[in-house]
Amino acid sequence: AQRVTQPEKLLSVFKGAPVELKCNYSYSGSPELFWYVQYSRQRLQLLLRHISRESIKGFTADLNKGETSFHLKKPFAQEEDSAMYYCALRVGSNYQLIWGAGTKLIIKP
Amino acid sequence: DVKVTQSSRYLVKRTGEKVFLECVQDMDHENMFWYRQDPGLGLRLIYFSYDVKMKEKGDIPEGYSVSREKKERFSLILESASTNQTSMYLCASSFFSDTQYFGPGTRLTVL
Repeated sequence: AQRVTQPEKLLSVFKGAPVELKCNYSYSGSPELFWYVQYSRQRLQLLLRHISRESIKGFTADLNKGETSFHLKKPFAQEEDSAMYYCALRVGSNYQLIWGAGTKLIIKP
Repeated sequence: DVKVTQSSRYLVKRTGEKVFLECVQDMDHENMFWYRQDPGLGLRLIYFSYDVKMKEKGDIPEGYSVSREKKERFSLILESASTNQTSMYLCASSFFSDTQYFGPGTRLTVL
C-alpha cells in the first residue's frame, strides 16, 4: 500500500543552522510529491512540489527515487520557518493525496 | 486569490447531536475534500467530491456523510456526534489534480 512516512514528529534547531525534514514514501510507480506547511494560526498551504524543481522561502526538496525520499532542506533556518510541515504523495492521476503525519519544526533564537 | 471558507472556526456540540460543517470555495474548483487533522496522525481524508452530487469515501468515512448540491459548497454531516469525533476539520478544494487549497479549519469539540 502507498504510504508516506515522516519519521520526526518534532524537530528543533537553532536559527542559522541547516534544516532537513525527512519524508519517505512507498510507491512503485512514478510519484508526485509535495510539501505543505501550516504556520501558527494560518491555513495549510502548498510550499513546494517536486515537479516544479524550485526553491520557495529558501527551501528545496529533491526526489530520490532510489531511496524513495523527498527530504525538505534549508541551509540556514530562520525563526519564521517554525511551523508544521506535511509531506504528501499523489499516486497516478488520483485527485487524492496520501499524507504523512507531519513534523513540527521549531527554530530556536 | 483562491478563497476557501468554513462556516465556523469553533464548534461545541453534545454527544448524539447532528452536526453540519459547511465549506465554500470561490474558484469554480471541481474537487472538494474533507479531512480530519489530529496530532501525530496527520491529515486523514474523510470524503471527497469530484463533481456536484458525486462523492467518494476516503480513509475514515464511518460516522460521517457529505452533501454537494452546488459546485461551490461541500457539507460534512455528523449524523450523531460522538466524543471520538472531537477534532480539527479541514476543507480543501482543487482544480482536478492541481494544488489543494485549504480553509481555515473548524475545531469541533463533542462533549
